[in-house]
Amino acid sequence: DQQVKQNSPSLSVQEGRISILNCDYTNSMFDYFLWYKKYPAEGPTFLISISSIKDKNEDGRFTVFLNKSAKHLSLHIVPSQPGDSAVYFCAASTQIQGAQKLVFGQGTRLTINP
Amino acid sequence: GAVVSQHPSWVICKSGTSVKIECRSLDFQATTMFWYRQFPKQSLMLMATSNEGSKATYEQGVEKDKFLINHASLTLSTLTVTSAHPEDSSFYICSAMSSYEQYFGPGTRLTVT
Repeated sequence: DQQVKQNSPSLSVQEGRISILNCDYTNSMFDYFLWYKKYPAEGPTFLISISSIKDKNEDGRFTVFLNKSAKHLSLHIVPSQPGDSAVYFCAASTQIQGAQKLVFGQGTRLTINP
Repeated sequence: GAVVSQHPSWVICKSGTSVKIECRSLDFQATTMFWYRQFPKQSLMLMATSNEGSKATYEQGVEKDKFLINHASLTLSTLTVTSAHPEDSSFYICSAMSSYEQYFGPGTRLTVT
């Protein structure tokens, strides 16, 4: 049962344009959402997060939007740069027995074309 | 920022042998560390939660006798894959909690021949 889904395995965007990565979740108990960037053979690096009490969080070129009623979040990157090419994972967090647990989506491979 | 290291970064072992992977938080103390595995082109799957000074909590379907986890100090957790088989070949990633964030190690590529 995939609680966090990224339905687009890949996305190709022209340099300078906006990249929009989408993520859907099913568990309403998730209270915190995160986006990670991952290069091959490396661990994920944290990009940006959002609490379930907010609907938008912005950090430089990265903005995350949360639509709780739709159980949907998205990551906007603008303007897109070649260095943004990587696999992006969304993750949802919940507290279970006092411990935070992350559930990851399948990832979306973003390619920025020059 | 918070840095997490893993050692080794890659390892090849023969079927039936055991392999130990170390995860260290370099500039902070972590009472909780996590172990994930990732198959090619798939998501990171949580294997277990490692708590300093207590037994690890394993996710459903993960064999605790096969994947031994020891969190002996606030900066070190180890994962030992016992009697490894080719199907254990995967990318193993650890993370450590600092404040409300998880910081990930660079991962360990395990290949069992």
